[in-house]
Amino acid sequence: AQRVTQPEKLLSVFKGAPVELKCNYSYSGSPELFWYVQYSRQRLQLLLRHISRESIKGFTADLNKGETSFHLKKPFAQEEDSAMYYCAHSRGGKLIFGQGTELSVKP
Amino acid sequence: GAVVSQHPSRVICKSGTSVKIECRSLDFQATTMFWYRQFPKQSLMLMATSNEGSKATYEQGVEKDKFLINHASLTLSTLTVTSAHPEDSSFYICSAGGLAGGLADTQYFGPGTRLTVL
Repeated sequence: AQRVTQPEKLLSVFKGAPVELKCNYSYSGSPELFWYVQYSRQRLQLLLRHISRESIKGFTADLNKGETSFHLKKPFAQEEDSAMYYCAHSRGGKLIFGQGTELSVKP
Repeated sequence: GAVVSQHPSRVICKSGTSVKIECRSLDFQATTMFWYRQFPKQSLMLMATSNEGSKATYEQGVEKDKFLINHASLTLSTLTVTSAHPEDSSFYICSAGGLAGGLADTQYFGPGTRLTVL
């Protein structure tokens, strides 16, 4: 079955430290992958998509087909980055989400 | 930007009653809407895909007679939880997609509805 896996439920770092939220996918074709973020008491919102190869709020994610990964990275974490992060892939227009990783950035 | 609303934001009901949740796209027409269920500190689980003017497509394991979906217009989809029981208590989230000119996989999420069944 096609799926995305986020191995870490919780990631805690200090402000200014680098962050990497892991995401691995199992899909034999060309996946369409996304990162969504959910801040406390707010709705889920798109952070970035691999097809755009963009940087949003300092975050980047590179698709590594060899490792079947799409890890989310930020060189210097900020307290306002604390949130739930979900990796997702699109299958026929449907989004299939990973389990989510809670990022906690401490002062 | 595209805004999706849900109503009500939270509802408490007695076991055995039915509850209707509305999902609206406020400033765009959504050809497709999706319904998700989210348990505390867990991921979103896709329940069904709703296309305007046609029957919803349910994911495996989701009871279509239990969770009735109606997508009567390009801006409104409703989810009715029939004969609700405590195990149906959850956070229900809708999303809307199909923006003209936008990427096919762009989905915009509603704020969610907290259902508590006593």
